[in-house]
Amino acid sequence: AQKITQTQPGMFVQEKEAVTLDCTYDTSDQSYGLFWYKQPSSGEMIFLIYQGSYDEQNATEGRYSLNFQKARKSANLVISASQLGDSAMYFCAMRGPTSNTGKLIFGQGTTLQVKP
Amino acid sequence: EAGVAQSPRYKIIEKRQSVAFWCNPISGHATLYWYQQILGQGPKLLIQFQNNGVVDDSQLPKDRFSAERLKGVDSTLKIQPAKLEDSAVYLCASSLDFRGGTQTQYFGPGTRLLVL
Repeated sequence: AQKITQTQPGMFVQEKEAVTLDCTYDTSDQSYGLFWYKQPSSGEMIFLIYQGSYDEQNATEGRYSLNFQKARKSANLVISASQLGDSAMYFCAMRGPTSNTGKLIFGQGTTLQVKP
Repeated sequence: EAGVAQSPRYKIIEKRQSVAFWCNPISGHATLYWYQQILGQGPKLLIQFQNNGVVDDSQLPKDRFSAERLKGVDSTLKIQPAKLEDSAVYLCASSLDFRGGTQTQYFGPGTRLLVL
């Protein structure tokens, strides 16, 4: 079965510093996708970044980058130059072909607080 | 481009009452998902539609939950009768087509349900 683990319930970071949010996954599939979403207190899930299992380069989207280590089954999110607006809950999710439905399996989430 | 719309944003009901949530996906998106997010957890898929057909409803409590997407666009999720443990945020998401590609899911703002 597929599983996503986020071991950091809460994180603090100083404004303008970089922060890494951890995500490990478990799957027997060879083809899968990894996603990061941001959920502010308003509740909406905002898509941040995607990494495919066959992508050789780490994904980047503006201040977000995904540190993909396939052998270790980890897909950590790096946020550079943190801003106050980055304070939110962050979810790592995986989509694989096992179910062949595109269903996302989510981790428990990490709450990030950015200090001024 | 308009995002995923959901209504109502908040709902408070008493146990054993019924409630319905509405979702309008991004225009042109064939796949629609309903997720349940209990406080402190990641979202869990309840049901997935491809146009007006059900792809996956394996985790939908069918004795009390029902959903439809009659014309392949809007969708309604109903709970009847509600239980205390149904208190959660109900998130609707859509993607172009769950088959192949990145297939990023875009989420609506969610409906926060409180069952008293």
